[in-house]
Amino acid sequence: QKEVEQNSGPLSVPEGAIASLNCTYSDRGSQSFFWYRQYSGKSPELIMFIYSNGDKEDGRFTAQLNKASQYVSLLIRDSQPSDSATYLCAVKGSSYKLIFGSGTRLLVRP
Amino acid sequence: ETGVTQTPRHLVMGMTNKKSLKCEQHLGHNAMYWYKQSAKKPLELMFVYNFKEQTENNSVPSRFSPECPNSSHLFLHLHTLQPEDSALYLCASSQPGTIAGELFFGEGSRLTVL
Repeated sequence: QKEVEQNSGPLSVPEGAIASLNCTYSDRGSQSFFWYRQYSGKSPELIMFIYSNGDKEDGRFTAQLNKASQYVSLLIRDSQPSDSATYLCAVKGSSYKLIFGSGTRLLVRP
Repeated sequence: ETGVTQTPRHLVMGMTNKKSLKCEQHLGHNAMYWYKQSAKKPLELMFVYNFKEQTENNSVPSRFSPECPNSSHLFLHLHTLQPEDSALYLCASSQPGTIAGELFFGEGSRLTVL
């Protein structure tokens, strides 16, 4: 079982729709959860982090965490073509290492 | 511009060559990292340095040799690489002890081994 799992996609949504990106993790002792965005040919950049169960909102982005089910998700409201990128889920586990998923490629159609 | 600069951006080398990747951060961070990014695979942590001391070596083959002369500079020395080592090598830095522990990545060095 992979430590951090993401669907590779591509996830294709029309402009203005809600994009929902999901991630599951195996380490029950994980405490910190991160979403990085990586444009093609560029380096990853942090867009959200969450520690507590529930929702955390920042502009058009909402991170959701459910520790009991061991999943974390990222919702992007009013998706724009500029949101087209690969989204990497990263989990800081009980070993304090940051473990990345393979990423989900998001395509927002104009 | 993330404050982390990597050179060279692209490198092509034969299996018998010796080359080095360089990373410099201007953020005042005390932790630096090397990650390997291959197509369709997760980012793989290779090495971690905290305050110039290596604190993590993630079972990386000895043909990769890191060097951290100070908290702002990190090198990855390469020798007798294999074609499967072709990948994007990302350097990152962070400030230990911060709540988010956010990683700041450089733009990467794209390595091709012939």
